[in-house]
Amino acid sequence: SYVVTQPPSVSVAPGKTARITCGGSNIGGKSVHWYQQKPGQAPVLVISYDNDRPSGIYERFSGSNSGDTATLTISRVEAGDEADYYCQVWDSYIDIAIFGGGSKLTVL
Amino acid sequence: QVQLQESGPGLVKPSETLSLTCPVSGASISDYYWSWIRQPPGKGLDWIGYIFYNGNTNYNPSLRGRVTISLDTSKNQFSLTLSSVTAADTAVYYCAKVIVAGNIDTWGQGTLVTVSS
Repeated sequence: SYVVTQPPSVSVAPGKTARITCGGSNIGGKSVHWYQQKPGQAPVLVISYDNDRPSGIYERFSGSNSGDTATLTISRVEAGDEADYYCQVWDSYIDIAIFGGGSKLTVL
Repeated sequence: QVQLQESGPGLVKPSETLSLTCPVSGASISDYYWSWIRQPPGKGLDWIGYIFYNGNTNYNPSLRGRVTISLDTSKNQFSLTLSSVTAADTAVYYCAKVIVAGNIDTWGQGTLVTVSS
């Protein structure tokens, strides 16, 4: 099945920009979705279809997708953004959702 | 607003069957696709499968043969059964509303199921 790869951890200072990548073969040809998961909570969709923000998600969250890499960008990072972030695509050959291994965002 | 809440035993013995139910409020179960996803402690998310009201299902090949997702339109709920469980099936299990070929836009709060004798 299709494989997507994320860095295990990303660190950023408050107020700076965090970029979390999601790599996969020609992932630019797929739709990528991003979820934020805080400890003890269910994941929350923060970016859908590469760069759409669901209602209630801050404008500081954005996404891009091209070639072999999709990126979740969080601008003006705050302490409250500290969480695990997962990318997700759909494997149309076997009709299942595929998740990246997750990236832990640490705000320094 | 769609709301989901997993229910079922928190402890299952090895080789037995895990069974969970997810009542749906705020929407008709006939209108959407529904899924189960799990997360082993300290690990990432793992797709289990989905179901549509017409009975159409699809499962993760890694679980095929052990997993069944079903639904009850009269109770507006759907269910998961996983047979022959081992310690590797210990996880938080989430029920969710899914857009097939898209994303998971609504999640239950999750329920921890531990497989242990």
